[in-house]
Amino acid sequence: AQSVSQHNHHVILSEAASLELGCNYSYGGTVNLFWYVQYPGQHLQLLLKYFSGDPLVKGIKGFEAEFIKSKFSFNLRKPSVQWSDTAEYFCAVGKSNYQLIWGAGTKLIIKP
Amino acid sequence: DAGITQSPRHKVTETGTPVTLRCHQTENHRYMYWYRQDPGHGLRLIHYSYGVKDTDKGEVSDGYSVSRSKTEDFLLTLESATSSQTSVYFCAIRDPTGGVDTQYFGPGTRLTVL
Repeated sequence: AQSVSQHNHHVILSEAASLELGCNYSYGGTVNLFWYVQYPGQHLQLLLKYFSGDPLVKGIKGFEAEFIKSKFSFNLRKPSVQWSDTAEYFCAVGKSNYQLIWGAGTKLIIKP
Repeated sequence: DAGITQSPRHKVTETGTPVTLRCHQTENHRYMYWYRQDPGHGLRLIHYSYGVKDTDKGEVSDGYSVSRSKTEDFLLTLESATSSQTSVYFCAIRDPTGGVDTQYFGPGTRLTVL
């Protein structure tokens, strides 16, 4: 079955720590990959996306993600987190029929 | 900002009553989607539309219907609301600009069914 797995449901870090959120997918076709962020009480916003080319993708607010095809992974990283990064992060895979398969989300809490 | 608005933003209703949520977009996108968001489930697709009067079911369509009579409006109806439909509902559009189909989301509607 097609699925997206986000390994950690909750992550707690201190400010300035490095961040890596895992995302693995199970989908046999050509993939477009996305990370979205949802700040408390807000809607989902696009952080970054990958569709082809350089597997290291840079997004907004200092986030980046690396597509590793052999591992079916698209992990999100940030070298130094800030308190304002507290949010829920969602990984999604785009299917060929213009639908997205969503992970369950990772809640990130940054301690000041 | 993809020019998406949702109304109402908050609604409390009683079991068994009909409820209609509205999604409005200003940029003439062909595809529109309705999702529900529940803790631990991420986003789940309810219905989507690929044009005026063209709609299809998502993974959690039972108990919901949709209509799209104009490009800009996509309505989600709960014919007889149940407590299990208490959720946050998000509308999204598909933007193919730049060759990558990307979904952008509205602000959401928080629905409580008592």
